[in-house]
Amino acid sequence: SAVISQKPSRDICQRGTSLTIQCQVDSQVTMMFWYRQQPGQSLTLIATANQGSEATYESGFVIDKFPISRPNLTFSTLTVSNMSPEDSSIYLCSARGDSNQPQHFGDGTRLSIL
Amino acid sequence: GIQVEQSPPDLILQEGANSTLRCNFSDSVNNLQWFHQNPWGQLINLFYIPSGTKQNGRLSATTVATERYSLLYISSSQTTDSGVYFCAVMSNFGNEKLTFGTGTRLTIIP
Repeated sequence: SAVISQKPSRDICQRGTSLTIQCQVDSQVTMMFWYRQQPGQSLTLIATANQGSEATYESGFVIDKFPISRPNLTFSTLTVSNMSPEDSSIYLCSARGDSNQPQHFGDGTRLSIL
Repeated sequence: GIQVEQSPPDLILQEGANSTLRCNFSDSVNNLQWFHQNPWGQLINLFYIPSGTKQNGRLSATTVATERYSLLYISSSQTTDSGVYFCAVMSNFGNEKLTFGTGTRLTIIP
């Protein structure tokens, strides 16, 4: 099964700043995703990171706020832009092969905005 | 999109007790997974079980795809079983996305 490394594991940021989260998978994968988990809530899909093209965003999430890159089959980044306290959440990277394979998750990035 | 509901939302048990967690989903699925999120926020894969029954130690899971539900059984609970259990599904209808349920928060008391 794929091993997914995320960094940073946590950060405390000032409002108005931006932070980029990195996700590295130990093998080539077909699909990579970014999720958000707000305090006390379930996980919500932000976007699907597409290799070599623009990410596919879910309703309620926009590229200007959450720009995503995926330059190859093992690496992706998520930037949280112009942060506000409402962005305080855990952000999780996820990856899998084909749709009939299990999906795996990184340990998450715990982000607090002051 | 597909709806995923879990019950009960909260469960408090004494150490050694058994429990059953339920996941209902609104459409046919080709992927169903159970996860345990520990108190540190890590999401642990428990089962990949789009249909049938699987067992792993004290945990087992059954998915009845035709009736659109899955059950997670935890036997002889330990305090380390505490945390939130999530069911996540992928619809058969081509959107390739894993949708998470509402979760069950399990607290095991020594």
